[in-house]
Amino acid sequence: GENVEQHPSTLSVQEGDSAVIKCTYSDSASNYFPWYKQELGKGPQLIIDIRSNVGEKKDQRIAVTLNKTAKHFSLHITETQPEDSAVYFCAAYLSGSARQLTFGSGTQLTVLP
Amino acid sequence: NAGVTQTPKFRVLKTGQSMTLLCAQDMNHEYMYWYRQDPGMGLRLIHYSVGEGTTAKGEVPDGYNVSRLKKQNFLLGLESAAPSQTSVYFCASSYPLSGGLATNEKLFFGSGTQLSVL
Repeated sequence: GENVEQHPSTLSVQEGDSAVIKCTYSDSASNYFPWYKQELGKGPQLIIDIRSNVGEKKDQRIAVTLNKTAKHFSLHITETQPEDSAVYFCAAYLSGSARQLTFGSGTQLTVLP
Repeated sequence: NAGVTQTPKFRVLKTGQSMTLLCAQDMNHEYMYWYRQDPGMGLRLIHYSVGEGTTAKGEVPDGYNVSRLKKQNFLLGLESAAPSQTSVYFCASSYPLSGGLATNEKLFFGSGTQLSVL
């Protein structure tokens, strides 16, 4: 069925290094791709999103890229800091699910001091 | 402005017991959702509501019921709890953007309810 796959499930980086999380989706009609960050004990929070008419979007140290042909999108975090440690979820709206935002399985990012 | 508030934060049930999780939002959002979060499976939609008095099934609705009697509240009920319903439950709300399109809306999540069914 339609789904969103996210890799890796865990990622450890040294403080100051970059982190990249990748998601692939199955529905070529998907046109909106948000990323949520979940800190320990809290609910997810939207950090950045991208629409299908844009290839890249940046917000300070965070960027998202989209390759519609290959049906994948990625989250890039540069100059990582300890407060970036969290679980990150990608998501997409899949066809036939007008209200169902399908989430990836999550990536636990740990930034080592 | 508290955002999305969930009660209770923790609960332990025995198999077969019933309970209701309450979600309240003070942002005047039209849409509300209930998700469950399980290790390695991300967030899965249980039920959702596009307005007061309306509800619809999500990806994993079996064993749950919901009600949206007031715009600001969305209740999730478990009539007969099972161990498979042990999970962290998140409520979320959102508002429709231009044209009422649903495909680009920002979800606001509560802090979750940890439910254990023994």
